[in-house]
Amino acid sequence: DSGVTQTPKHLITATGQRVTLRCSPRSGDLSVYWYQQSLDQGLQFLIQYYNGEERAKGNILERFSAQQFPDLHSELNLSSLELGDSALYFCASSPFRRVYNEQYFGPGTRLTVT
Amino acid sequence: AQSVTQLGSHVSVSEGALVLLRCNYSSSVPPYLFWYVQYPNQGLQLLLKYTTGATLVKGINGFEAEFKKSETSFHLTKPSAHMSDAAEYFCAVSERDFGNEKLTFGTGTRLTIIP
Repeated sequence: DSGVTQTPKHLITATGQRVTLRCSPRSGDLSVYWYQQSLDQGLQFLIQYYNGEERAKGNILERFSAQQFPDLHSELNLSSLELGDSALYFCASSPFRRVYNEQYFGPGTRLTVT
Repeated sequence: AQSVTQLGSHVSVSEGALVLLRCNYSSSVPPYLFWYVQYPNQGLQLLLKYTTGATLVKGINGFEAEFKKSETSFHLTKPSAHMSDAAEYFCAVSERDFGNEKLTFGTGTRLTIIP
């Protein structure tokens, strides 16, 4: 158990809908990363937040957005869903020390768009 | 931009045989290097990492990897495969950029163990 929690574990929804994925980082970790794992694209970085602020952006679609709240949990919002958005979405958290910051991954949310 | 190449999307080895999973990276400066394992329907677990120091890195479950700068490689090995090693393995890199250590993953290698 990494200490990172993600809810829900599974999500099935229809095209055109909007969903919210939630991530609670390990206690004390200030950074949250979101990754998408799909058959087409593999594992790719979407976005990073540090202490409530967006810090880095990867291959995140405009239909997707994220935020990190004052209690440090993060949410990934996916809208106008398409079949191709079906994937496993992971979040990872890390501390913010002036040495290497290891990422700890949550168990993921499996999104199925029908 | 960084990239990772994993040679062989599927590797099969007999139980007790050597496991060798290959990873090459492309980066302007030596990055941080990682191997992650993913068991079916589970998340990613860190096997081992290279950040600095000794280039031969030992990880969990008897795995090790060697960072070879001249070959830009970070191959994963285990002397004797066990049935429980069957999983998907991902090589990853991140920049040496404090607080911005997003991971770039390879496409993964599915390891099958033959009894």
